[in-house]
Amino acid sequence: NAGVTQTPKFQVLKTGQSMTLQCAQDMNHEYMSWYRQDPGMGLRLIHYSVGAGITDQGEVPNGYNVSRSTTEDFPLRLLSAAPSQTSVYFCASSYSSTEAFFGQGTRLTVV
Amino acid sequence: AQRVTQPEKLLSVFKGAPVELKCNYSYSGSPELFWYVQYSRQRLQLLLRHISRESIKGFTADLNKGETSFHLKKPFAQEEDSAMYYCALNYGGATNKLIFGTGTLLAVQP
Repeated sequence: NAGVTQTPKFQVLKTGQSMTLQCAQDMNHEYMSWYRQDPGMGLRLIHYSVGAGITDQGEVPNGYNVSRSTTEDFPLRLLSAAPSQTSVYFCASSYSSTEAFFGQGTRLTVV
Repeated sequence: AQRVTQPEKLLSVFKGAPVELKCNYSYSGSPELFWYVQYSRQRLQLLLRHISRESIKGFTADLNKGETSFHLKKPFAQEEDSAMYYCALNYGGATNKLIFGTGTLLAVQP
């Protein structure tokens, strides 16, 4: 049972490039979400999903897109990377308002 | 707007000393609060939920609605408790949308 798996673990992008951060869970959880963590700040919610085909914005959605075509996968797309998007990104999944299970994080640097 | 505040960035104690990690929240509804912990090189994981009112690894946390606080306590700190601790508030009800505090690094000295 892998839980929540994020790929890649590390990534360096040039300004303006696009990329997709992958997130997969094998627990059949309905709810999935993406957070970013910046120095001196708590995790902030970017986007979330309550099930396949349903997504919505969190606190800091600008510059990111998501889709949820299956229960298992919830990719996060950076459309045109900016240095302000340098951060550690965490994917999480949960079943209703219970424990959230987190991935190991993706450390993204935009130069 | 909802908010979670952890006033201490770093808390350093000696082994065997009591620990209290502070958490205050601001939320207009009925709060659902959690403590998450991240040990070195491990992923973020749940430590406590206020609803369960249980003790995990010797830690307890009581919701005080009057003071809008959810402090994490342990009577005798152990070196293996050294980690980053985050207080979190679920403001999304069943959708489990979390807002986190900035975290407190607990360092337990031998």
